[in-house]
Amino acid sequence: EVQLVESGGGLVQPGRSLKLSCAASGFTFSDYNMAWVRQAPTKGLEWVASISYGGSNTHYGDSVKGRFTISRDNAKSTLYLQMDSLRSEDTATYYCARQTGFAYWGQGTLVTVSS
Amino acid sequence: DVVMTQTPVSLSVAIGQPASISCKSSQSLVGTSGKTYLNWLLQRPGQSPKRLIYLVSKLDSGIPDRFSGSGSETDFTLKISRVEADDLGVYYCLQGTHFPQTFGGGTKLELK
Repeated sequence: EVQLVESGGGLVQPGRSLKLSCAASGFTFSDYNMAWVRQAPTKGLEWVASISYGGSNTHYGDSVKGRFTISRDNAKSTLYLQMDSLRSEDTATYYCARQTGFAYWGQGTLVTVSS
Repeated sequence: DVVMTQTPVSLSVAIGQPASISCKSSQSLVGTSGKTYLNWLLQRPGQSPKRLIYLVSKLDSGIPDRFSGSGSETDFTLKISRVEADDLGVYYCLQGTHFPQTFGGGTKLELK
């Protein structure tokens, strides 16, 4: 069974950093592109970043470009999202998803940016 | 970026009645492979999104055949033949043909 489990969310002050993790199991992690998608409170879904299966190619949404870094450790079957210079508008539940078809999603981790 | 426009924004349907959601894209979703990468997702209250349909009309495993997807090019529709209580939540269309992938704004299905 495919499982994606996010962790690392919490309350953080504006301008500070936070690193999210997503532990994958039930499939060969290194075979798949992965993505982060976020959802602000009461809002819709917004793609944040993607990374290729080998980790060499990354892409970012305009709203996070230059501040967030997506990475992966295929030996640990884990996806990461390093979030720097956080803003109040980054407050959201962050989901990791298997990018191919977006068939599998984690349960999400809540990031709250507030002083 | 491709803009995905869903209508209606909300929908109130009685149990046993049909429901229909429209999703229109700002450009054709037919890819160079000839495939159309249009998915439908359901997010139930308090849960993460769950894919129901991929490639316009293919049902994911375990999804009842009350659900169906159709459409082509820029116009797509999700239909529920007979709404059940378990169907309530927010439905999203998602295109994966063009980078970056983009989501529709969502349609909230409520029970009448």
